[in-house]
Amino acid sequence: EVQLVESGGGLVKPGRSLRLSCTASGFTFGDYAMSWFRQAPGKGLEWVGFIRSKAYGGTTEYAASVKGRFTISRDDSKSIAYLQMNSLKTEDTAVYYCTRDNVVPPHNWFDPWGQGTLVTVSS
Amino acid sequence: QSVLTQPPSASGTPGQRVTISCSGSSSNIGSNTVNWYQQLPGTAPKLLIYSNNQRPSGVPDRFSGSKSGTSASLAISGLQSEDEADYYCAAWDDSLPVFGGGTKLTVL
Repeated sequence: EVQLVESGGGLVKPGRSLRLSCTASGFTFGDYAMSWFRQAPGKGLEWVGFIRSKAYGGTTEYAASVKGRFTISRDDSKSIAYLQMNSLKTEDTAVYYCTRDNVVPPHNWFDPWGQGTLVTVSS
Repeated sequence: QSVLTQPPSASGTPGQRVTISCSGSSSNIGSNTVNWYQQLPGTAPKLLIYSNNQRPSGVPDRFSGSKSGTSASLAISGLQSEDEADYYCAAWDDSLPVFGGGTKLTVL
């Protein structure tokens, strides 16, 4: 079964850092790009960023709202994607989801999604 | 402000057919395929429709998607109480994903 499990969420003070993990199973992790999304309480989905597979350079892209503060990385040997969040702000409070990018050119969709991990930024 | 525009809410009675619209532009829906995601209350999003009109395994054929020009639609026929959820359309724009703000579907 293809599965993604996020971990690492919690309560953190503004200005501090937190690292989230997304552990994958049931597929060849290194073959896929991985994305992070977030959802603030009562709000819609917001794309945070993604990391391409090594075959496509392992490069990253980020939403403007997190660029320069958040970093996505991957460890293909452990089938884990990471989201390093620095200089956290109260507006970063959200449930964070990881998801797998499925690409069959010209089509591209996100599936599956993890269960999410809650990050609360508050003093 | 979301790049793709969806109505914030929709509703229907059991058995009814409802549609949810998604409006974009030539740079996103107009030149890329559209996906739809369903988010049941308190759960993670789930892929509902991909590549405009394809259903993943396990998604009932009551759900269908279509696209025309810079707009897309999700149709749900034979509405059921368990369809009450938030629905999001998505596409790609300049190689980055863009989403609609979501439509909350209420089954009356």
